[in-house]
Amino acid sequence: NAGVTQTPKFRVLKTGQSMTLLCAQDMNHEYMYWYRQDPGMGLRLIHYSVGEGTTAKGEVPDGYNVSRLKKQNFLLGLESAAPSQTSVYFCASSAGTGRGGAEAFFGQGTRLTVV
Amino acid sequence: SQQGEEDPQALSIQEGENATMNCSYKTSINNLQWYRQNSGRGLVHLILIRSNEREKHSGRLRVTLDTSKKSSSLLITASRAADTASYFCATDANGSEKLVFGKGTKLTVNP
Repeated sequence: NAGVTQTPKFRVLKTGQSMTLLCAQDMNHEYMYWYRQDPGMGLRLIHYSVGEGTTAKGEVPDGYNVSRLKKQNFLLGLESAAPSQTSVYFCASSAGTGRGGAEAFFGQGTRLTVV
Repeated sequence: SQQGEEDPQALSIQEGENATMNCSYKTSINNLQWYRQNSGRGLVHLILIRSNEREKHSGRLRVTLDTSKKSSSLLITASRAADTASYFCATDANGSEKLVFGKGTKLTVNP
């Protein structure tokens, strides 16, 4: 059981380049999240999805786009990378929030450097 | 803005001592969770406490929740060097689908 898998694990981009980060989960979770983690800032929510075909903005969505075409996959795109997007990106999935809220499972992270 | 804020930002103790970390949040919540992160790794879930619960235990972990003060605490008893990590609280607010994290407490347990 793989859980949550992020691809790639490391990447170096030049300013202005584009890329897509892939998150795949095999737990049939409805909810998926993308976070970025910067020193001293904890985890900040970029975008999230509560089901196939749905996406919503988090705390820091600017400069990113997402898609959830299949329930098991959540893609994070950077259309024109900027040095400020240098960060570690984490994907997570869960069965949901609210009264039936459950724990989130995290991938191992993608370390992205934009030069 | 982030919902949860942990306190202290950093904590250094000796092996065998207890470690207490606090989390304060701003709005009414459904659940509060605690996670652990070893350096450079993904987060691992420790414990979830619902808004109608006041205390929960899991092994050496004890979590309390005071909804009137909008705060939670995580106690690690008889700490070990292997407990060295960053600890985060996460909340999902009433009516929200978001899971929002605080900035974390960095715990160092010295052998």
